[in-house]
Amino acid sequence: AQSVTQPDIHITVSEGASLELRCNYSYGATPYLFWYVQSPGQGLQLLLKYFSGDTLVQGIKGFEAEFKRSQSSFNLRKPSVHWSDAAEYFCAVSPQDSGYALNFGKGTSLLVTP
Amino acid sequence: EADIYQTPRYLVIGTGKKITLECSQTMGHDKMYWYQQDPGMELHLIHYSYGVNSTEKGDLSSESTVSRIRTEHFPLTLESARPSHTSQYLCASSMGGKRSTDTQYFGPGTRLTVL
Repeated sequence: AQSVTQPDIHITVSEGASLELRCNYSYGATPYLFWYVQSPGQGLQLLLKYFSGDTLVQGIKGFEAEFKRSQSSFNLRKPSVHWSDAAEYFCAVSPQDSGYALNFGKGTSLLVTP
Repeated sequence: EADIYQTPRYLVIGTGKKITLECSQTMGHDKMYWYQQDPGMELHLIHYSYGVNSTEKGDLSSESTVSRIRTEHFPLTLESARPSHTSQYLCASSMGGKRSTDTQYFGPGTRLTVL
């Protein structure tokens, strides 16, 4: 069955430290991949997406993600976290050119400590 | 930045009331979506539309209904609200044809509480 897994429900990092959020998917072929961020009481904002091409994708707010086909992963990274990065992060996946809506992971809640 | 709006942002109502959650977008997107999100959980698709006069049910069964009379407007209605409908409802839209996958842009959400 098609699925998206975010193994970490909660992550706590110190401000200025590096961050990596994990996302694994299970699909028959390489899907389209997305990372969204949700601040409390808000909707979702797109951080970055991967459709094809370079497997290292740059996004907004200093985030990047790397697609690794062999590991079926699309992990999100940031070299230095800011307190304003505290939020819920969702990985989402969609089969290519299917017109399907996104399948979301359960999300990872990021807490940033001083 | 995407322009997609939802009203109201927060709604507290009693059981049995009829409610309509509004969603509008000014980007001319043909495709629109409604997701339901419980606290600490992933989003589940409950309705979507490919364009005017098109509505489809999503992966998660819902007692709500939707309509798409205008491209920019995709309201969601609950005829008789129940406490089990308490949740956050997120509207989204995207470009592209029926079989294409494009970036979805989300509204701020409506947090519904049914007493």
